[in-house]
Amino acid sequence: AQKVTQAQTEISVVEKEDVTLDCVYETRDTTYYLFWYKQPPSGELVFLIRRNSFDEQNEISGRYSWNFQKSTSSFNFTITASQVVDSAVYFCALSEVRTGTASKLTFGTGTRLQVTL
Amino acid sequence: DAGVIQSPRHEVTEMGQEVTLRCKPISGHDYLFWYRQTMMRGLELLIYFNNNVPIDDSGMPEDRFSAKMPNASFSTLKIQPSEPRDSAVYFCASSPGTTTYEQYFGPGTRLTVT
Repeated sequence: AQKVTQAQTEISVVEKEDVTLDCVYETRDTTYYLFWYKQPPSGELVFLIRRNSFDEQNEISGRYSWNFQKSTSSFNFTITASQVVDSAVYFCALSEVRTGTASKLTFGTGTRLQVTL
Repeated sequence: DAGVIQSPRHEVTEMGQEVTLRCKPISGHDYLFWYRQTMMRGLELLIYFNNNVPIDDSGMPEDRFSAKMPNASFSTLKIQPSEPRDSAVYFCASSPGTTTYEQYFGPGTRLTVT
């Protein structure tokens, strides 16, 4: 069975601080995808990034960066110079891949990030 | 481009009533997913379709829940009869499926059963 653990329930930072959201996953599959989604107070789920199990390159997009380490089954998310608009719940998710097709997402419980002035 | 469209955005109903949630996926996406979000259980998959065919409905709570996808641009999730424990936010998501597997979510329907 697949499992995603986000041990940090809630994090509070002051604007301009860097913050890292942790994600640890469990799967028996050799091929899988990892995702991060953002859920702002308005409630929608916004796709941020996808990573496949064969690509361990770190990725940077503006103030966002992701560190994928297969050896520790982790896919951590760092926000540099946080802003109030980053306040949201962030979900890490895992997708199995069956015969080259998409499948369901298994979500972590989410980390609520509060950025204050 | 229009994203995933869900209606209604909010639904308040009394226990025992039938509730129908609607979803229009992104055009060209072959996969459609229904999720439910509650405080107690988080985000959980209910059912998903590939090319209008249900693939996995193991997450559907019980026989009171049913989902259909009569064509590539429309899906419904029906609860009959509804119960207070069905109160949740129901999300529909769609995905291209092959080569790119990310799912794009609709705004959700907040269901309250009194």
